Amino acid sequence: AQKVTQAQTEISVVEKEDVTLDCVYETRDTTYYLFWYKQPPSGELVFLIRRNSFDEQNEISGRYSWNFQKSTSSFNFTITASQVVDSAVYFCALSEGNTGNQFYFGTGTSLTVIP
Amino acid sequence: EPEVTQTPSHQVTQMGQEVILRCVPISNHLYFYWYRQILGQKVEFLVSFYNNEISEKSEIFDDQFSVERPDGSNFTLKIRSTKLEDSAMYFCASRLRDRGLSEAFFGQGTRLTVV
Repeated sequence: AQKVTQAQTEISVVEKEDVTLDCVYETRDTTYYLFWYKQPPSGELVFLIRRNSFDEQNEISGRYSWNFQKSTSSFNFTITASQVVDSAVYFCALSEGNTGNQFYFGTGTSLTVIP
Repeated sequence: EPEVTQTPSHQVTQMGQEVILRCVPISNHLYFYWYRQILGQKVEFLVSFYNNEISEKSEIFDDQFSVERPDGSNFTLKIRSTKLEDSAMYFCASRLRDRGLSEAFFGQGTRLTVV
């Protein structure tokens, strides 16, 4: 079973539109950590945000915001007023606190922002 | 800002040949990882390394793979006899702690092409 599901394979939006990338996770641990990474066309993985299972506060950082809801096991990522530079593949990842130290990545969502 | 560096950025090798992918983790980090990403697919965990030994490995990490930290700074992944299906982007990562809120910092990747 997939531990991290990103159901949206590809999304295209027009510049300045808002877009939300979905992430649903599955774990039996009560302590776990969620991450978002960005992979631009150049290929590297860029850390965006981390969140632990005890902190359900939503976070806003500039045009980026994250909505963590334990009730639905979701950790969604919203980009407001998208820009062409936001075009990338975005990965959601889970790290379980008690059963291992690896990151489980989702399959990624490829975002294209059209000028 | 400290970063994880990987060399080479691109390696082409013939099937059956040995390759060594090199990584220099962030200097005060203690936990090291290799992940791979087959083109267009998700990032998959290969192995984690702590205190000069493997702490966890996936099913992908079979006897053809080995890791080493020969000199306290470099962290290498060796593939003894490459197969066509080993073609992928290989990412090295390091973390300050193996669990908790410590994010993994990823290198820019080595694209391995087996021909």
